[in-house]
Amino acid sequence: GAGVSQSPSNKVTEKGKDVELRCDPISGHTALYWYRQSLGQGLEFLIYFQGNSAPDKSGLPSDRFSAERTGGSVSTLTIQRTQQEDSAVYLCASSLVVGGPNYGYTFGSGTRLTVV
Amino acid sequence: AQKITQTQPGMFVQEKEAVTLDCTYDTSDPSYGLFWYKQPSSGEMIFLIYQGSYDQQNATEGRYSLNFQKARKSANLVISASQLGDSAMYFCAMSLGGNKLVFGAGTILRVKS
Repeated sequence: GAGVSQSPSNKVTEKGKDVELRCDPISGHTALYWYRQSLGQGLEFLIYFQGNSAPDKSGLPSDRFSAERTGGSVSTLTIQRTQQEDSAVYLCASSLVVGGPNYGYTFGSGTRLTVV
Repeated sequence: AQKITQTQPGMFVQEKEAVTLDCTYDTSDPSYGLFWYKQPSSGEMIFLIYQGSYDQQNATEGRYSLNFQKARKSANLVISASQLGDSAMYFCAMSLGGNKLVFGAGTILRVKS
């Protein structure tokens, strides 16, 4: 597609429920990233996929969070047993070049998750 | 540990004036990239400018320039001729080997008419 697409754009869920957030990166982009942005805060790195390599999961805050990337394209971020502190905007980004000259990652418009 | 510091939570600038948004970084890796992103109230993250650690000249993109002072580990963003549409949150970020970006806390810029 022309840009990074995320769905849903908004999600309200009850505490304790599981949620799935989807990211469709720019076609051909080999790297995909998930970030979290709490209200009024900066971006917190969650997880990074690069090609067929093992993902960098170092930013996942707990074992309730997991992500996968199927076929090197679409990615799904899953949050199990959601808590109120999980409420945030979840941003996905993709990039073509890893390392070397880099002209910026392309971000999606995010999924606003509200846990009630 | 890699860290980005933006010490200005908020800034005001008069329309048509220039403004500098501060950013300092901390890394022991000699190879890194520095980025600035703009986030308007709509929430999208817009890439503005990039500076590589080995680049000899400061990066410029239209009204945006990056004042890169390697010895001081600073990468300030300069916006010239501010416009009302420049009002937004601005984030400085650093990449190491392109794997992931580490972001600062951001600076809210308000342009006054």
